[in-house]
Amino acid sequence: EVELVESGGGLGQPGGSLRLSCAASGFLFSTYNMNWMRQVPGKGLEWLSYISPASDTVHYADSVKGRFTISRDNAKNSLYLQMNSLRDEDTAIYYCTRDVRGSGTYFSDYWGQGTLVTVSS
Amino acid sequence: DIQMTQSPSSVSASVGDRVTITCRATQHVHIWLAWYQQKPGKAPNLLIYAASSLQSGVPSRFSGSGGGTDFTLTISNLQPDDFASYYCQQTYIFPHTFGGGTKVEIK
Repeated sequence: EVELVESGGGLGQPGGSLRLSCAASGFLFSTYNMNWMRQVPGKGLEWLSYISPASDTVHYADSVKGRFTISRDNAKNSLYLQMNSLRDEDTAIYYCTRDVRGSGTYFSDYWGQGTLVTVSS
Repeated sequence: DIQMTQSPSSVSASVGDRVTITCRATQHVHIWLAWYQQKPGKAPNLLIYAASSLQSGVPSRFSGSGGGTDFTLTISNLQPDDFASYYCQQTYIFPHTFGGGTKVEIK
């Protein structure tokens, strides 16, 4: 059974850093594209970042470019999001997702349960 | 960036109703469009991918259509379990933008 479990959320200081992790199981992690998404409680979804299986291609939303870094360790079946220069507006639930290919397109078929990040002094 | 506009932002409906949600993209995304359902306190759940393909395990009362810039999610014979929020997402061009969401509420 595919499972994605995020961790590392909590209280962060404005200007500070946090590192989120996503532990994957139930599938061959090293062959899948992965993403981070986020959602301010009560608001809509925001795509944040993408990483290819070999980490040779990454993409970021403008809202986090230059501050957040996506990475993965295929030997540990883990995805990471290093969050630096935190801002109040980064307060949200952060989800990791797995991308699959179907009917010639890619989409996220599995989501973790999310981890809440609160940025506040 | 491609902007995704969903409408309506909320809809009140009764069990048994047919509900239609639309999603419009500011650029062509071909069929690189997915629909998700989200219930309070839960992660989103994939309903439809490639604009019209039903994800395994999703009831057949959910259907998707469209292509290019205009897409539709239809829920036929609305069930109590369907009262939730729904989001479209384009995955054709980065950033993979979401629509603003549609909340389906009980009338």
